[in-house]
Amino acid sequence: DVKVTQSSRYLVKRTGEKVFLECVQDMDHENMFWYRQDPGLGLRLIYFSYDVKMKEKGDIPEGYSVSREKKERFSLILESASTNQTSMYLCASSQGRRRQETQYFGPGTRLLVL
Amino acid sequence: AQKITQTQPGMFVQEKEAVTLDCTYDTSDPSYGLFWYKQPSSGEMIFLIYQGSYDQQNATEGRYSLNFQKARKSANLVISASQLGDSAMYFCAMREDNYGQNFVFGPGTRLSVLP
Repeated sequence: DVKVTQSSRYLVKRTGEKVFLECVQDMDHENMFWYRQDPGLGLRLIYFSYDVKMKEKGDIPEGYSVSREKKERFSLILESASTNQTSMYLCASSQGRRRQETQYFGPGTRLLVL
Repeated sequence: AQKITQTQPGMFVQEKEAVTLDCTYDTSDPSYGLFWYKQPSSGEMIFLIYQGSYDQQNATEGRYSLNFQKARKSANLVISASQLGDSAMYFCAMREDNYGQNFVFGPGTRLSVLP
């Protein structure tokens, strides 16, 4: 079974702190994604990566950066956390070679910025 | 413009009844895939069912089926014989071939199954 893990289920940070959210997948997937989920808005793509050291902006990259130094690990960084970044963050991965292939999701991190 | 629309923020269904969750989409790409996910209160996203734009038949997976009407650009999820464990958020998502490996998600529908 594909396993996507995220470093924390719950996180509380203060405004201005630097925040690291880690995601690891164990299926040698090429593609990795970071989403944020807010009520009424569904999942919105922050950043994605199709290969090691490759990263592309998604729909809402402002205030975020990412790092992918190893194939299995994709980190989301909030350089200076703000209260409007309080949200649920979901990491996903996929091999992406077949059209019908799903993305596999981690359990999510609920981040509260005070 | 929203690419995926789910017009029902919340739905209630009686246990053992069938329920339809609506999803309409917008794309000019002739080649795309549609996915449905379930998200229980624990937060994990669970893949339920897939429909390809070129598939001739509606997809089915156990109690889940997809009512795919390509001309109307709708891909409604039908859950038969609802169970209490079906209470969750349900998301419709689309992947367009011209958009690479990325998915676009709808806002979701919260389903509550009543005993």
